[in-house]
Amino acid sequence: DAGVIQSPRHEVTEMGQEVTLRCKPISGHDYLFWYRQTMMRGLELLIYFNNNVPIDDSGMPEDRFSAKMPNASFSTLKIQPSEPRDSAVYFCASSLLEGELFFGEGSRLTVL
Amino acid sequence: GENVEQHPSTLSVQEGDSAVIKCTYSDSASNYFPWYKQELGKRPQLIIDIRSNVGEKKDQRIAVTLNKTAKHFSLHITETQPEDSAVYFCAASQGSARQLTFGSGTQLTVLP
Repeated sequence: DAGVIQSPRHEVTEMGQEVTLRCKPISGHDYLFWYRQTMMRGLELLIYFNNNVPIDDSGMPEDRFSAKMPNASFSTLKIQPSEPRDSAVYFCASSLLEGELFFGEGSRLTVL
Repeated sequence: GENVEQHPSTLSVQEGDSAVIKCTYSDSASNYFPWYKQELGKRPQLIIDIRSNVGEKKDQRIAVTLNKTAKHFSLHITETQPEDSAVYFCAASQGSARQLTFGSGTQLTVLP
């Protein structure tokens, strides 16, 4: 398996624009997680899905953030409208129930 | 919820010396404690984990110890090498990757 695949790897956008980050989990994994990493706050869990169903979105900062998982092999994290404070590295990760968490390479977002 | 504190935030050692990173957790129900290594610009990757039914686990130059009574666990790296330079994160959860709470990270620098 190619591992967790994220796109884009880098995104530079202007404040107010919509940003969509994409993730393909490892085949067969039934849990998918979105994390945000910043210097100030470290690794924060934003939301996670089990069998495509959102289970806990308490980490989503505000209504500007939304995530979907329309099928077992694809998830999106959308920010609309984006703000400079959203600048961070966004990681997607997947796992089996009791298994290791596998991270993607991350999407580095810069909002100007 | 769980709170994980990690110390030190930075650590410099000479090549060949040992490095120790310590974490404390707050939730006595936590029973799964993984450690992740993140090289600059890369994804976090699991290097070792321990569950609460054991007090110590070793894998070559890396070991983790757990003290459930005191609610702390530590990462020990012996015979450090320059390629050990990275940020190390501890984490804790109740048994799986689903609700991992990460520490703030330790930047380890191994000086040649």
